[in-house]
Amino acid sequence: KQEVTQIPAALSVPEGENLVLNCSFTDSAIYNLQWFRQDPGKGLTSLLLIQSSQREQTSGRLNASLDKSSGRSTLYIAASQPGDSATYLCAGRGSNDYKLSFGAGTTVTVRA
Amino acid sequence: NAGVTQTPKFRILKIGQSMTLQCTQDMNHNYMYWYRQDPGMGLKLIYYSVGAGITDKGEVPNGYNVSRSTTEDFPLRLELAAPSQTSVYFCASSYSSGPLAEAFFGQGTRLTVV
Repeated sequence: KQEVTQIPAALSVPEGENLVLNCSFTDSAIYNLQWFRQDPGKGLTSLLLIQSSQREQTSGRLNASLDKSSGRSTLYIAASQPGDSATYLCAGRGSNDYKLSFGAGTTVTVRA
Repeated sequence: NAGVTQTPKFRILKIGQSMTLQCTQDMNHNYMYWYRQDPGMGLKLIYYSVGAGITDKGEVPNGYNVSRSTTEDFPLRLELAAPSQTSVYFCASSYSSGPLAEAFFGQGTRLTVV
């Protein structure tokens, strides 16, 4: 069974600093890993999806890496802005599993 | 594009009442899912469907039922509401279950059982 952990649960940084968000998973037989953003009281918005055959994916200021051997994924957000304040969730899909296994999320506050 | 649409957005139920949470998607996705999100916890899968007429239980199915008569719709039924079902419910869909399967989520239904 895939277990996904996100540490820390909360993070506060000054505007302009680079953000590094961590995600750990237990089953290296992972099909893909997806990063989501969730604003308070809202749904989940997909940010990046990394397939098991990929090492990283990039979209604008966002870069996500995947290391199956160590069971880790990292989301980098460059030059953070107050608008980046949100909860970031990672979720992994196992090779024999239909569902996404979610971490509890990291709540980010970017201070102006 | 509408994507995944959930109704209602908010609902308060009394213990023992029943209700149906509606979910519809317009992306012609085969796979649909219902998750619940409790404070400080990751999302937990309630039920999922791999196509019209096919459904299966997830991690936390007790107290819920689903049906999938069309590709577009995947309603979630609560028969006898209990306080433990107070949560935020998310419906999601994906085209497949393979490595390229990106999941798309609705805006959620916030349910309170009193």
